[in-house]
Amino acid sequence: DVKVTQSSRYLVKRTGEKVFLECVQDMDHENMFWYRQDPGLGLRLIYFSYDVKMKEKGDIPEGYSVSREKKERFSLILESASTNQTSMYLCASSPGLAGAQETQYFGPGTRLLVL
Amino acid sequence: GNSVTQMEGPVTLSEEAFLTINCTYTATGYPSLFWYVQYPGEGLQLLLKATKADDKGSNKGFEATYRKETTSFHLEKGSVQVSDSAVYFCALSRPGRRALTFGSGTRLQVQP
Repeated sequence: DVKVTQSSRYLVKRTGEKVFLECVQDMDHENMFWYRQDPGLGLRLIYFSYDVKMKEKGDIPEGYSVSREKKERFSLILESASTNQTSMYLCASSPGLAGAQETQYFGPGTRLLVL
Repeated sequence: GNSVTQMEGPVTLSEEAFLTINCTYTATGYPSLFWYVQYPGEGLQLLLKATKADDKGSNKGFEATYRKETTSFHLEKGSVQVSDSAVYFCALSRPGRRALTFGSGTRLQVQP
């Protein structure tokens, strides 16, 4: 089974802090994604990566950056956390071989509260 | 642009009732369509998918048919169980774009 793990289930940070969310997948997948999930809005794409050191902006990249130094690890960085970044953050990965038909595999999520 | 519209929840049903969760989409080209499910405290997992018009995806008693003429992908199950209580997300992925576009999610509550 594909396993996607996220470093924390719950995080509490203060406004202005730099926050790192880590995601690791164990199936040698090419693609990795960061989404945020908010009530009534579903999931929205922040960034994705299709290879080591390669990344593309999603629909809501403002206030976020990402890093992918190794194939299995994809980090989301909040440069200066703000209260409107309080949300559930979901990481996902996909093999990268079958294009738009591919299944994405999700981690359990990190619930971030910014005070 | 691409978008997915789902019926608002929560949907509350008694055990063994028939379930329909509506999903319609707007997309250029020929998207692939998905239903993902999120059980309490967990991440999303794929429930079923369909990759071309008139395809039917099915899994665990759930079904959805890709209807291009009505741009719909409604989720159905003939007899729901308490264990089906979860949030259900309709999503699409179009050729050339790796990421998914999700609907807002529909919470299903099944009562014994």
